[in-house]
Parts: sequence; C-alpha cells; structure tokens
Amino acid sequence: DIQMTQSPSSLSASVGDRVTITCRASQNIRSYLNWYQQKPGKAPKLLIYVATSLQRGVPGRFSGRGSGTDFTLTISSLQPEDFATYHCQQTYRTPRTFGQGTKVEI
Amino acid sequence: EVQLVESGGGLVQPGRSLRLSCVGSGFKFEEHVMHWVRQVPGKGLEWVAHITWNSGIVDYADSVKGRFTISRDNAKNSLYLQMNSLRREDTALYYCAKDRDYYDNSATFDYWGQGTLVTVSS
Repeated sequence: DIQMTQSPSSLSASVGDRVTITCRASQNIRSYLNWYQQKPGKAPKLLIYVATSLQRGVPGRFSGRGSGTDFTLTISSLQPEDFATYHCQQTYRTPRTFGQGTKVEI
Repeated sequence: EVQLVESGGGLVQPGRSLRLSCVGSGFKFEEHVMHWVRQVPGKGLEWVAHITWNSGIVDYADSVKGRFTISRDNAKNSLYLQMNSLRREDTALYYCAKDRDYYDNSATFDYWGQGTLVTVSS
C-alpha cells in the first residue's frame, strides 16, 4: 500500500496567517492527490483534487501544489472557519490511502 | 442539493453481522461509483469498499475482504454494506461517499453522508 505522511500533525496559527501543510507519498503518485477538510463532528469536505484543482465552492485562499511524492496545501490567509483537520488522500493506486491528518488550531 | 443519509449502525457483539444502508438524493445515483469510508473517532480515514455504477465491479480493503459485501439498488438510490464476522477493530464511523466522476472510479469523494457509528463490543 502507498503510505501517506502529513506534517505537521498539528499546528497553531492565528487568523490572517499563511498556513502550509505537507503531504508526502511513499512512492510516485503523479498528481493523484486530494485534500479534504474535516470539522469536529462533521464529514470530510473535498477542497482540492488532482493536486491543484479547486473544488467548486471552495474559497480561493485554498491552493494545492506538487506532483510525484511531495505535495502542499496552503491557506493564504487563515479565517476563523478554517480551523479544522486536513487530510490528504492518494488516488493513484488501490487501496486509496489517506494521511493521518493535520489539525489546525488557534 | 446532494444528500447522502446512512443508517443501520449500532452496538453489535464480535462475530455478529450488521447491514448499513445509504440513501442518496439530489443527483443521478445510477451515474456514480459509490464508496464506503470509515473513521475511528479521533483517527484517520480508511477507504473500505467501492461499487461501480452498474455493480459490475466491487473492491474492498484487505482489512474487510471476505467479511464485508457492498451492493447497491439504483431503483431505490441506495447503497448497502453487509458486514459479517465483525471484529472489535471494525468499530468506527462509517460514511458513504459519492465519487466525483461520472461512471468512472476516481475515488475522489465530493459528497459524504453524516456517518453511522458501528461499535463492536461484547
């Protein structure tokens, strides 16, 4: 199975900060990488697919970069509603595996 | 508005069975691959199974292969997960999720249900 490793596991930030989360795959997954946001008690929400494409309705402050094994999710100016856990997921090979999550806290 | 509503979770003893259901609305259910994804509370996400739009192909995570069966009824806009020989490690919140693509299995989940909790304990 392809292992997905996110860093950091958690981070503290303030409203207005620029925040970057990293996801590393254990092998080349080309651009088959998605990002999800999950708030407490809620289902995950798709933010970014195929590494850089913004899902419809997602604010433009979210962006994704990378290919191969190294990927990033950036929030350009953190808003109060962005405090959540973020998960990366590879869709290159079955089983489609997720990272362990990164919790963004105040 | 797309909605997915799961049901069927609960407390069950190890070795017993449980059947989860998910009803979709607000989209053409028959045009999409559907998935089950689970999450141990406070932990990460694990893809469990998927089924193609016409039930022609199903696939499972190794952790559930041979014990779980995914199925669907397009006439009822419904997805199912039959879980047999349940183990304590199957305890999780089970989500059904819609594939973003039409007819293809991209495993990109653009809509999720609210989840149904399965607790396996004696």
